[in-house]
Amino acid sequence: DSGVTQTPKHLITATGQRVTLRCSPRSGDLSVYWYQQSLDQGLQFLIQYYNGEERAKGNILERFSAQQFPDLHSELNLSSLELGDSALYFCASSVSGLAGELPNEQYFGPGTRLTVT
Amino acid sequence: AQRVTQPEKLLSVFKGAPVELKCNYSYSGSPELFWYVQYSRQRLQLLLRHISRESIKGFTADLNKGETSFHLKKPFAQEEDSAMYYCALSRFNTDKLIFGTGTRLQVFP
Repeated sequence: DSGVTQTPKHLITATGQRVTLRCSPRSGDLSVYWYQQSLDQGLQFLIQYYNGEERAKGNILERFSAQQFPDLHSELNLSSLELGDSALYFCASSVSGLAGELPNEQYFGPGTRLTVT
Repeated sequence: AQRVTQPEKLLSVFKGAPVELKCNYSYSGSPELFWYVQYSRQRLQLLLRHISRESIKGFTADLNKGETSFHLKKPFAQEEDSAMYYCALSRFNTDKLIFGTGTRLQVFP
């Protein structure tokens, strides 16, 4: 599958714990985006990385952090988890995402469903 | 602040009926607007974007800057159009997408 992949598909953990979600972009894509989809907030942009560097930040909590590695895969770390963090976390990738360009199409992964109990 | 509003959570129509999914946005600059679709058990995918001015699967959407709207239309709905539709906005110079809350389209036979 040359599309965006995300692991794990499902994650169940307890409050106060820390988890790491992983995303591999499409081959050739340099930008990775993280979104959170919850019932009450809808799809919310969290953060974007381009070629290893943070490019844009959205409604990302301080308890959350992300990084993009040299092989371009990305990880989203969620710590001190609360019940309200239960959501679907999507990763998307695009070709570039550079300033001065028209926005590129984003290709989405299947998502990771996080349940905090 | 940028905002995208999709006023309908659910839209139900019969096959062959016209469909219009509403999307309004607030943004002071020149937005880039998109419609994304999520079919059952599939991932979110781009349906169309306003700069392309294309018709995809019979769907069209026109950007109306005066009304700040980007409604998605199809003259004759098909059962396979049943899905979740999200309107999204992006600004020039950034790819981050601001999504509406989505509209579920149900097309009955």
